Amino acid sequence: NAGVTQTPKFQVLKTGQSMTLQCAQDMNHEYMSWYRQDPGMGLRLIHYSVGAGITDQGEVPNGYNVSRSTTEDFPLRLLSAAPSQTSVYFCASRPGTGENSPLHFGNGTRLTVT
Amino acid sequence: GNSVTQMEGPVTLSEEAFLTINCTYTATGYPSLFWYVQYPGEGLQLLLKATKADDKGSNKGFEATYRKETTSFHLEKGSVQVSDSAVYFCALRSNYGQNFVFGPGTRLSVLP
Repeated sequence: NAGVTQTPKFQVLKTGQSMTLQCAQDMNHEYMSWYRQDPGMGLRLIHYSVGAGITDQGEVPNGYNVSRSTTEDFPLRLLSAAPSQTSVYFCASRPGTGENSPLHFGNGTRLTVT
Repeated sequence: GNSVTQMEGPVTLSEEAFLTINCTYTATGYPSLFWYVQYPGEGLQLLLKATKADDKGSNKGFEATYRKETTSFHLEKGSVQVSDSAVYFCALRSNYGQNFVFGPGTRLSVLP
């Protein structure tokens, strides 16, 4: 099983550029989410989705957009990159919202904005 | 709101030493509690979990007990190995919501 796949692994952007971080899961999970990981701050939730066509904001949504057109895919869009968005981004999924099942994580995308 | 506090480290131990990483939480309702581990260059992996008070989660020699009276979920291992060097995250999921809340992570280095 591939699990949760994130692409690219590394990306460098200039301030003001836009890009999309890709996330795909092959486990038929209803719930998907995006986190950013910054030193000393742990993981902070950016956006999440409880099913196709449904998305909602997390703790730090500003500057990011998401969509969920299929169960498998949950891309994260940076509309106009800023140096404050330099971080490691993780996509995570779990089977459903009503269970105590854990999150399954991708291997992350390291983004640098200059 | 919900929150998780854990010792940030870094924690440096010699091989075969005893490990404790403290984790305390604040949450509404009756949360489920988790420990995740992150090896260099990788995503987070579930290490163990506990879903109700007094439950003990265990895996790969690691243990943690859900203590509702002290709102704690401390991670322990009796004898660490060099391969245990990683960052460890404590997390909770409230039964009132679907999202997880993570602590800041504790970096563990085990020296041979």
